[in-house]
Amino acid sequence: QQPVQSPQAVILREGEDAVINCSSSKALYSVHWYRQKHGEAPVFLMILLKGGEQKGHDKISASFNEKKQQSSLYLTASQLSYSGTYFCGTCRVAGKSTFGDGTTLTVKP
Amino acid sequence: EAQVTQNPRYLITVTGKKLTVTCSQNMNHEYMSWYRQDPGLGLRQIYYSMNVEVTDKGDVPEGYKVSRKEKRNFPLILESPSPNQTSLYFCASSLSVRDRVEGYTFGSGTRLTVV
Repeated sequence: QQPVQSPQAVILREGEDAVINCSSSKALYSVHWYRQKHGEAPVFLMILLKGGEQKGHDKISASFNEKKQQSSLYLTASQLSYSGTYFCGTCRVAGKSTFGDGTTLTVKP
Repeated sequence: EAQVTQNPRYLITVTGKKLTVTCSQNMNHEYMSWYRQDPGLGLRQIYYSMNVEVTDKGDVPEGYKVSRKEKRNFPLILESPSPNQTSLYFCASSLSVRDRVEGYTFGSGTRLTVV
């Protein structure tokens, strides 16, 4: 079952914050986040392996609420380089991964 | 440079003509996987491989074959391509899915058009 991402699209000004959510109707092993720029391959951002885990580097962080079967990606003080499509990927069975439809983030000057 | 290499980058072919998209990684990764990406549908898993000679179906395996004879290579085979297989294809690899400690490294993609 594909995870559901929200919102589908976000438009921000530089310096503003954004939150992208990813939820699943079934239990999860792990959640991983990727950013894809137009015409390029997805690039790994971070993976969260267990409930309650939070990770981050620079101004991008994420949390994983295993009980609620959801994860959120937080982008603070957004930069132009943050523009792209963000995907969450989830694993319920080792090896078998499913991705959300993506959230398109546009950061304007 | 650590990378996943896919070839070709672009391919136009005709219905029914067998083709192979190659994928190779130089990171000694155990896990490899194929995805197709279509507008509005995100990334959908075709096949994956946990290790050499171990492959399994993803969510959309129909019309595709794979093999994993060596650790570094994971080719995707379309025996009889059809227009509904027109898509952007990505290969990905990861150190070890059992340990679940790493995300995937993706190749640059192969844009396939079947006419």
